[in-house]
Amino acid sequence: GQNIDQPTEMTATEGAIVQINCTYQTSGFNGLFWYQQHAGEAPTFLSYNVLDGLEEKGRFSSFLSRSKGYSYLLLKELQMKDSASYLCAVRSVGNAGNMLTFGGGTRLMVKP
Amino acid sequence: GAGVSQSPSNKVTEKGKDVELRCDPISGHTALYWYRQSLGQGLEFLIYFQGNSAPDKSGLPSDRFSAERTGGSVSTLTIQRTQQEDSAVYLCASSRDQYSEQFFGPGTRLTVL
Repeated sequence: GQNIDQPTEMTATEGAIVQINCTYQTSGFNGLFWYQQHAGEAPTFLSYNVLDGLEEKGRFSSFLSRSKGYSYLLLKELQMKDSASYLCAVRSVGNAGNMLTFGGGTRLMVKP
Repeated sequence: GAGVSQSPSNKVTEKGKDVELRCDPISGHTALYWYRQSLGQGLEFLIYFQGNSAPDKSGLPSDRFSAERTGGSVSTLTIQRTQQEDSAVYLCASSRDQYSEQFFGPGTRLTVL
């Protein structure tokens, strides 16, 4: 089976930096995705890691360590609009091809 | 189209009735996925289509749930004899192929009274 853990809630201050961690246990690992989901809206793609290391995209960066089953999403220069849920999702390859398993999401509240 | 669309956006039904949810994927996307998201919860995988075939139906919670995809495009998720625990947001996603990022539709909020 697959198990993905991330904190349920986090709070940070506008302008600061926040790191959201995700740990996973899976077989057939084939990539890790981060999605952002504002309340009442559909998830939107943020980043993708399949090799170890850091991927940077503007204010957002994502890191992966496959040997540790660990990833984090780093958000810099936080803005109020960054208040949302952040979903970690692991792709695994099985008999049926590609499949994403999502964690429960981390609800981030950015305060002034 | 510009993005994944789903209809209806909201559906309220009585326990025991059948419902049909529709998904229009992004044009040219061969892979299509259905997920369910209960209030405050993560996404639960339901079913995956590659073209018109569904190689993975493992997430369907019961035999009351079925899905089909025709013409490699539109998909419908049917829930028969709805129960209150079926109340959730049903999200559809599509991707260019099974290895690419998934783009999500706005979802259908289903409420079973």
